[in-house]
Amino acid sequence: EAQVTQNPRYLITVTGKKLTVTCSQNMNHEYMSWYRQDPGLGLRQIYYSMNVEVTDKGDVPEGYKVSRKEKRNFPLILESPSPNQTSLYFCASTSSGTNYGYTFGSGTRLTVV
Amino acid sequence: TQLLEQSPQFLSIQEGENLTVYCNSSSVFSSLQWYRQEPGEGPVLLVTVVTGGEVKKLKRLTFQFGDARKDSSLHITAAQPGDTGLYLCAGGYQKVTFGIGTKLQVIP
Repeated sequence: EAQVTQNPRYLITVTGKKLTVTCSQNMNHEYMSWYRQDPGLGLRQIYYSMNVEVTDKGDVPEGYKVSRKEKRNFPLILESPSPNQTSLYFCASTSSGTNYGYTFGSGTRLTVV
Repeated sequence: TQLLEQSPQFLSIQEGENLTVYCNSSSVFSSLQWYRQEPGEGPVLLVTVVTGGEVKKLKRLTFQFGDARKDSSLHITAAQPGDTGLYLCAGGYQKVTFGIGTKLQVIP
C-alpha cells in the first residue's frame, strides 16, 4: 500500500530534550515536506526537500532541522524542544515536477512540557 | 509567501442542503489542490485543478478553478453527515501554501 509513515504518533517530552520524528514513504517520491498544524493558524510548512541531499526552509523553520540522506526518509529533528513547538506535525510527499497533490502521513502529536 | 484565503471558516448545515466553499488568492497558481481532513488525521487529497476554468466532479462534489487561476470553489450537493470535516485548499510547488480551512458540520 502506498503510504507515508510517521513515528511516533504521540510524544510527550520535556523542554530541551532532543527528539527525532521519523518519516518514510514507499512511493519513490522525490519531494517531501514537513508541516505543523496549529488551531487558528492552519498548516504551515517547516522544511521541504526536492531530492536526496537537497533541503530548504519553509515558512517556520526556526528550532527545527531536517536531513535527506535517502530518498524514502525525511526525519524532523528538534535539537532543543520548547513548549511553543507543541503541535500536530505532518510529513507529506509527492512526485517532483509540479504539485499534483501530497500524500500525508497520519501525524505526530507532540507535547513539550 | 503566497496566501490562500478560505471562506467561510465554519459552516453548519442540515443533511440534504447544498453548500459552496471558496479559496481565493491575489496570486496566480499553476495548480490548486483540495483536501479533506478528519480530526487527528492527515489531510487526504480530493482533487487537483490545473487549467483555468476547469471543472472536476467527484460524486456529489464539484470543484472549479477560476479562469485567472487565482481562486477555486468546492460545491457539495445534498450534503451527507459523512461529508463532515475540514476542507483545505493548497497551492504552490516548492513552497506550498495551505488555506486555513473550512470546518464543515453536516447535521443528520
